[in-house]
Amino acid sequence: TQLLEQSPQFLSIQEGENLTVYCNSSSVFSSLQWYRQEPGEGPVLLVTVVTGGEVKKLKRLTFQFGDARKDSSLHITAAQPGDTGLYLCAVVMEYGNKLVFGAGTILRVKS
Amino acid sequence: DAGITQSPRHKVTETGTPVTLRCHQTENHRYMYWYRQDPGHGLRLIHYSYGVKDTDKGEVSDGYSVSRSKTEDFLLTLESATSSQTSVYFCAISERTGAGSEAFFGQGTRLTVV
Repeated sequence: TQLLEQSPQFLSIQEGENLTVYCNSSSVFSSLQWYRQEPGEGPVLLVTVVTGGEVKKLKRLTFQFGDARKDSSLHITAAQPGDTGLYLCAVVMEYGNKLVFGAGTILRVKS
Repeated sequence: DAGITQSPRHKVTETGTPVTLRCHQTENHRYMYWYRQDPGHGLRLIHYSYGVKDTDKGEVSDGYSVSRSKTEDFLLTLESATSSQTSVYFCAISERTGAGSEAFFGQGTRLTVV
């Protein structure tokens, strides 16, 4: 069982559609991060959420941290082909300072 | 871009041979990580380091060892490569952990064990 469960595993949509991907856990975290990875590249940090219930916006991307700080969501409005990639959530374990990732959601936006 | 370089970028090796991957950083960041990436598994932590000569295991450490003798270099060794270790390996660095942290990744090393 993975610490962070991401869903869906794969999403293929048309340009202009909206979508939401999820990152869930049974554990409580002090913060959670979202990364995006494009083919052939390493992941790049999009956002860090810290406070329960926090909402952060990055252009067409909206990130929310659950009230109980166990889960998070990423909503993309009017998806573009440039949004195509692997979206990963990650947390730093309080014990040992390990940076742990979920399995990711592969997003494909077709034009 | 963060100064982090992985070498080699591609390698094909035979089963049973030792392999060492190198991660070099110019950022003087304290934390360094090695991950492997396989389809459907995201990034799985192999080993990480929180300082020179300070390392710890991740979730998939069997068959791997690491060393960090200098701040800038973190080496990952496969003592006797197996086909199950065919993967893309990523190194990451971070100045700190917690809410204020950001991990920067290398370009990855594609390793094929035949």
